[in-house]
Amino acid sequence: GAVVSQHPSRVICKSGTSVKIECRSLDFQATTMFWYRQFPKQSLMLMATSNEGSKATYEQGVEKDKFLINHASLTLSTLTVTSAHPEDSSFYICSAGLAGIRDTQYFGPGTRLTVL
Amino acid sequence: AQSVTQLGSHVSVSEGALVLLRCNYSSSVPPYLFWYVQYPNQGLQLLLKYTSAATLVKGINGFEAEFKKSETSFHLTKPSAHMSDAAEYFCAVSARGYTGFQKLVFGTGTRLLVSP
Repeated sequence: GAVVSQHPSRVICKSGTSVKIECRSLDFQATTMFWYRQFPKQSLMLMATSNEGSKATYEQGVEKDKFLINHASLTLSTLTVTSAHPEDSSFYICSAGLAGIRDTQYFGPGTRLTVL
Repeated sequence: AQSVTQLGSHVSVSEGALVLLRCNYSSSVPPYLFWYVQYPNQGLQLLLKYTSAATLVKGINGFEAEFKKSETSFHLTKPSAHMSDAAEYFCAVSARGYTGFQKLVFGTGTRLLVSP
């Protein structure tokens, strides 16, 4: 149980285009989802927290107009990287919180974004 | 505020030897503590967590960790390393929240290398 999926697993795009990444909780309802970014050989940095039906809360330094987050349902959150640039290339990982078990996040497999 | 320090970016052990990965935390409120494992190009898998119950926590794959408040530590151990244990390990801390999810703060990670 508590499986989180991400789609796509890898994406390559041209500079200036937008890319959407989906995060789904497959067998549970997630009231809260988190988006992280991980640079090579580095730790995970929290980008934003999204609660179903409300606006995401972004961490300091994260551009909300560049990284659009939508949490439209209890099983789906999306991250859209708008007008992507090479410096946006990274590994993006989402996690989902299981309602009723506040302390544990379940992580998706990640999406490798490469911007040419 | 919470923070995590993982001592040693790389730890090398021989197969069958004891594994010890160090984690020290700082938290202004009672913490929840976690160990996650990450295999190359994958998301994070929860190994174990401390949430104020028993201070010695047993996890998956034979790992365990002990919460020591006096030392602000949560070191991860395994009596006998397997080749399959080679991966990146992250210690994380969050505040013990009573409403909603609390953010995870990750350490910088420790890469475990296992030699035959």
